[in-house]
Amino acid sequence: QLQLQESGSGLVKPSQTLSLTCAVSGGSISSGGYSWSWIRQPPGKGLEWIGYIYHSGSTYYNPSLKSRVTISVDRSKNQFSLKLSSVTAADTAVYYCAVAPPGGYFDYWGQGTLVTVSS
Amino acid sequence: EIVMTQSPATLSVSPGERATLSCRASQSVSSNLAWYQQKPGQAPRLLIYGASTRATGIPARFSGSGSGTEFTLTISSLQSEDFAVYYCQQYNNWLLTFGGGTKVEIK
Repeated sequence: QLQLQESGSGLVKPSQTLSLTCAVSGGSISSGGYSWSWIRQPPGKGLEWIGYIYHSGSTYYNPSLKSRVTISVDRSKNQFSLKLSSVTAADTAVYYCAVAPPGGYFDYWGQGTLVTVSS
Repeated sequence: EIVMTQSPATLSVSPGERATLSCRASQSVSSNLAWYQQKPGQAPRLLIYGASTRATGIPARFSGSGSGTEFTLTISSLQSEDFAVYYCQQYNNWLLTFGGGTKVEIK
């Protein structure tokens, strides 16, 4: 059974870059057909898909964030990462990593990590 | 972008009663629709995918139906552990989108 665990800075200053990593265990990030996503949830609000990376390395980003987002994969460490640049208070949220089998629904999620943007 | 609209925003139900949650897509998503349950402080949990297929380990009291633009999640007899927020999500388009959620609370 796959397990995902987010890590990274919980406090980021405005205009700086948010960086998070999702460590994958119980399976290989190179498994064919799977997509590896980042999703966020502002406090008290709903879910927003940020983007995903396929096992092939192809990436797809939410157009609302595309200019600021980079998702990458480190196969040697079996993990994938999120970078979100030029953050503002509006980027304060719980950030989740999740995996989708061929299809696009998310069957495994990390526990989530709260990132606060504040000076 | 496909906009997902859930109703009602809040549903007050007594334990043992039936709950019916709705999700509407701004354009057809075929059967590419999933439902999630989220409890406070926890990550969402997949309940239903393919509009009507229960995920592994999900009790039979949860059922999903619909296709195209109209979908329903039914909880046949609410248990105490079912009071939570429920989200729908479409994956018919590469730009994945979620509904705003329905909170199921104790009446």
